Amino acid sequence: AQTVTQSQPEMSVQEAETVTLSCTYDTSESDYYLFWYKQPPSRQMILVIRQEAYKQQNATENRFSVNFQKAAKSFSLKISDSQLGDAAMYFCAYRTYLNSGGSNYKLTFGKGTLLTVNP
Amino acid sequence: ETGVTQTPRHLVMGMTNKKSLKCEQHLGHNAMYWYKQSAKKPLELMFVYSLEERVENNSVPSRFSPECPNSSHLFLHLHTLQPEDSALYLCASSQDVGRAVNEQFFGPGTRLTVL
Repeated sequence: AQTVTQSQPEMSVQEAETVTLSCTYDTSESDYYLFWYKQPPSRQMILVIRQEAYKQQNATENRFSVNFQKAAKSFSLKISDSQLGDAAMYFCAYRTYLNSGGSNYKLTFGKGTLLTVNP
Repeated sequence: ETGVTQTPRHLVMGMTNKKSLKCEQHLGHNAMYWYKQSAKKPLELMFVYSLEERVENNSVPSRFSPECPNSSHLFLHLHTLQPEDSALYLCASSQDVGRAVNEQFFGPGTRLTVL
């Protein structure tokens, strides 16, 4: 079974600085997808960024980028120019199919990292 | 309403009560999910419905009973719950088509407290 590990329960960063959140996962699959989700205090989980395992290029979405190391099974999230609105729980997630050949999938989540942004 | 909505947002119930959580998605998606989020634990997938058929039941106790009457609505019926069932229950939906990378959209959750 796939597992996702986020080793940092809490992180803090100064406003305008850069912070990196770590995530490792365990899988025997070669074709999969990884996600970072953000859950602000309002509780609505939203997608931050996604990465396809077959793509060597790291995904980037504005101030958010990932460092995807497939061999090491590592998928870290870098937040540049941190803003107060970035304060939230961040979850790393791995997508796997529910059944072979099917089109339904499920997400396996890590425990999350609570990010605090200091003004 | 847009996105994924959940009602109620907060629920307190006794162990002998029967209640239901409701989820509605306004995105035209064909798959819906129930997750349980407890403190200090990863989100746990409970149920998955695709085209109104249950495709995954992740060994959830029978005191949780899902219902998906159509592709826009998902219910979680609760009865004789235990205090350890207190958690945030999240609903999500997605449009699952082949092997495309389809984002799951989440609702705001229902904070459930079992006394």
